[in-house]
Amino acid sequence: QQQVKQSPQSLIVQKGGISIINCAYENTAFDYFPWYQQFPGKGPALLIAIRPDVSEKKEGRFTISFNKSAKQFSLHIMDSQPGDSATYFCAVPNTGTASKLTFGTGTRLQVTL
Amino acid sequence: GAGVSQTPSNKVTEKGKYVELRCDPISGHTALYWYRQSLGQGPEFLIYFQGTGAADDSGLPNDRFFAVRPEGSVSTLKIQRTERGDSAVYLCASSRGSPPYNEQFFGPGTRLTVL
Repeated sequence: QQQVKQSPQSLIVQKGGISIINCAYENTAFDYFPWYQQFPGKGPALLIAIRPDVSEKKEGRFTISFNKSAKQFSLHIMDSQPGDSATYFCAVPNTGTASKLTFGTGTRLQVTL
Repeated sequence: GAGVSQTPSNKVTEKGKYVELRCDPISGHTALYWYRQSLGQGPEFLIYFQGTGAADDSGLPNDRFFAVRPEGSVSTLKIQRTERGDSAVYLCASSRGSPPYNEQFFGPGTRLTVL
């Protein structure tokens, strides 16, 4: 059974600062690592995903960094904004079947003015 | 078009009762997933449909849980003899193609409370 460890559990960042959330996994047979963003009362929404034929992917203010040997990947949010305040989940495909994404426990981000 | 919709948005039931939760996926999406999200946790996979068939039901916790997708579109998650531990938000997601590389679009969820 896939184990996904996400840290920190919560994070407070000032507006304009950098938010960094980390994720570590045990094993996966599929190189696909998404980050989801969830606002209260809503379902998760895909924020950014990496298929690591590259070690980094950037989309606007959001960057995924991937370290395959360490089995870790992280989300960086540059110039954090109050509207980024949400819960963020990393996810990893299961080793046995591609259909099962195992999610981390989430990081609650609060961006203050 | 519209996103994934789920009904009801909230369901309160008594222990031992039967409940049905409905999911309307995005039109044209062949893959459909059910997840369960407990407070303060990430979504937990329950079942995956490709078309009408359950391609992976390994996440269903026990035989009280069952899901169908008879026409390859709308899906219903059915829970028999509900228990207080079943209380959670049940999320449905759909994607255009097969996992894992195709983006899963989530609905807002059904909050189930078992008294």
